[in-house]
Amino acid sequence: GNSVTQMEGPVTLSEEAFLTINCTYTATGYPSLFWYVQYPGEGLQLLLKATKADDKGSNKGFEATYRKETTSFHLEKGSVQVSDSAVYFCALYGGATNKLIFGTGTLLAVQP
Amino acid sequence: DADVTQTPRNRITKTGKRIMLECSQTKGHDRMYWYRQDPGLGLRLIYYSFDVKDINKGEISDGYSVSRQAQAKFSLSLESAIPNQTALYFCATSDMDRGGYTFGSGTRLTVV
Repeated sequence: GNSVTQMEGPVTLSEEAFLTINCTYTATGYPSLFWYVQYPGEGLQLLLKATKADDKGSNKGFEATYRKETTSFHLEKGSVQVSDSAVYFCALYGGATNKLIFGTGTLLAVQP
Repeated sequence: DADVTQTPRNRITKTGKRIMLECSQTKGHDRMYWYRQDPGLGLRLIYYSFDVKDINKGEISDGYSVSRQAQAKFSLSLESAIPNQTALYFCATSDMDRGGYTFGSGTRLTVV
């Protein structure tokens, strides 16, 4: 069945460091891929998405490219801020399922 | 007002008690979902509904039931709460088969 695997956290970085959070997926068909962010005490918010191979989703300085050949959708940001501290979830939708399937989440902590 | 409102925000209940978590939305979406979040396990789908007459079990529906009272309202019940149902519960909505969900702020439930 469909599944999402993302790197375990926590990821601890200093402000202005480069961020990569790895995400790989297993799916039949052609799923859409998402990154959601959960700030402390809040629900999940859609950060970015990509609906087909080679698409790049971007928002708030974050980027992720849909790589079908490596079944990956890694999240990157060139210079993180303290305000980026949150839990990041990779997710997929489609293929053999009509529901959103989440990875386990990666906690990012950015220190000043 | 928030697009997706969950009540209560926090609840402590005793083992064996019946409890209802409520969700209402102003997005006008047909599809609604209940997820449970546990540390290290990400979000797991409990139940989902694609319209008022359509209710479906998710991956962890045992011990839970739902009611879709109207397009805008979707409630989750624990008939007889047990301690391993202690978790953060999220309601979400979507309007089409694309995976872009809108989440509520969550209900933190503790069963003692």
